[in-house]
Amino acid sequence: QKEVEQNSGPLSVPEGAIASLNCTYSDRGSQSFFWYRQYSGKSPELIMSIYSNGDKEDGRFTAQLNKASQYVSLLIRDSQPSDSATYLCAVWGPNRGGSNYKLTFGKGTLLTVNP
Amino acid sequence: DAGVTQSPTHLIKTRGQQVTLRCSPKSGHDTVSWYQQALGQGPQFIFQYYEEEERQRGNFPDRFSGHQFPNYSSELNVNALLLGDSALYLCASSGRTGGYGYTFGSGTRLTVV
Repeated sequence: QKEVEQNSGPLSVPEGAIASLNCTYSDRGSQSFFWYRQYSGKSPELIMSIYSNGDKEDGRFTAQLNKASQYVSLLIRDSQPSDSATYLCAVWGPNRGGSNYKLTFGKGTLLTVNP
Repeated sequence: DAGVTQSPTHLIKTRGQQVTLRCSPKSGHDTVSWYQQALGQGPQFIFQYYEEEERQRGNFPDRFSGHQFPNYSSELNVNALLLGDSALYLCASSGRTGGYGYTFGSGTRLTVV
């Protein structure tokens, strides 16, 4: 089982629609959860972080965390063509042996917002 | 506020050669992590440096080594380059705990021919 899994996509939505991105993780010891946006040929940019169960909203973005189900999601409301990018789910959790923590990424989901 | 800076931005090397990539962390950060990102994949953890020591390592061979200097900057060295080492190499910096997210540099695109 992969440590962080994302629906591989690609995901295509019309402009103005809601885009929903999902992620599951395997280690129950994971403590912090992030969504990064990566434009083609660029480096990842942190857009959302969430640390406790529930929803966290920031502008058009809402992150949701359910630790019991080991599930993280990102909703993008009123999607814009400029949101077209790869979205990476990242989980901060214990490395093998549990003494140190590291950030582990999923494969990413390519989102295309069509005008 | 200077972010994470990486050099060079692009590099072309021949199989068997050695390469050194450099990274300066964001001001106030003391931990540097290196990632390899192949085309169409998520970043893969190579190793992490803190207090000038390798604190943890991912599933990468010993051909990949690193160093951290007293000013927190870091180098990634790759020996005996293989074609499969072609990727975007990302440096990320964080505070000691790292639990509040990593800040990434713009990356070094390495092509091995």
